[in-house]
Amino acid sequence: DQQVKQNSPSLSVQEGRISILNCDYTNSMFDYFLWYKKYPAEGPTFLISISSIKDKNEDGRFTVFLNKSAKHLSLHIVPSQPGDSAVYFCAAVAGNMLTFGGGTRLMVKP
Amino acid sequence: DTEVTQTPKHLVMGMTNKKSLKCEQHMGHRAMYWYKQKAKKPPELMFVYSYEKLSINESVPSRFSPECPNSSLLNLHLHALQPEDSALYLCASSQQGVYGYTFGSGTRLTVV
Repeated sequence: DQQVKQNSPSLSVQEGRISILNCDYTNSMFDYFLWYKKYPAEGPTFLISISSIKDKNEDGRFTVFLNKSAKHLSLHIVPSQPGDSAVYFCAAVAGNMLTFGGGTRLMVKP
Repeated sequence: DTEVTQTPKHLVMGMTNKKSLKCEQHMGHRAMYWYKQKAKKPPELMFVYSYEKLSINESVPSRFSPECPNSSLLNLHLHALQPEDSALYLCASSQQGVYGYTFGSGTRLTVV
């Protein structure tokens, strides 16, 4: 039973446009959410996080939105750049346990 | 120092070998983790150490043996592995809860 799901395995976006990556969760005990970016054969790199008491957190080109009633969060990247091409994982937290979604491969075309 | 350092970066071992993966952090984090990641899959939690004590073992086979010698170091001892154990092994650390959760760059393990 997947508690964190990223239903789009891949996403292709034109450079300069917005990338929207989605994540859904089922466990109401999750109280903190993170997004990681991962290149092949490297460890995940932390991007941005959001607490369950907020509905939006912004850091430069990256904004995370949380809809707690829908158990849904999304990562917006504006404007998208070719260097953003990677696999993006959302992760949800209960205690000190991270549960990862399956990842979405983002491809930003020049 | 805001990094988690893992060595070696690559390791090829036979099924009868004994090897160890090492992880080090100097951020004062008191929780350290081992994850296993197969291609095109999310990281899977293996072990959690909290304040140098093993707090979570996610039903990992005994051929993987974790060790936390001190608050900065985490080892993963490998013995009699199978080819299906080939994967990227990631170490992570965090402060209380998941504050500052940071991953190392991983060890790419190949079992032949």
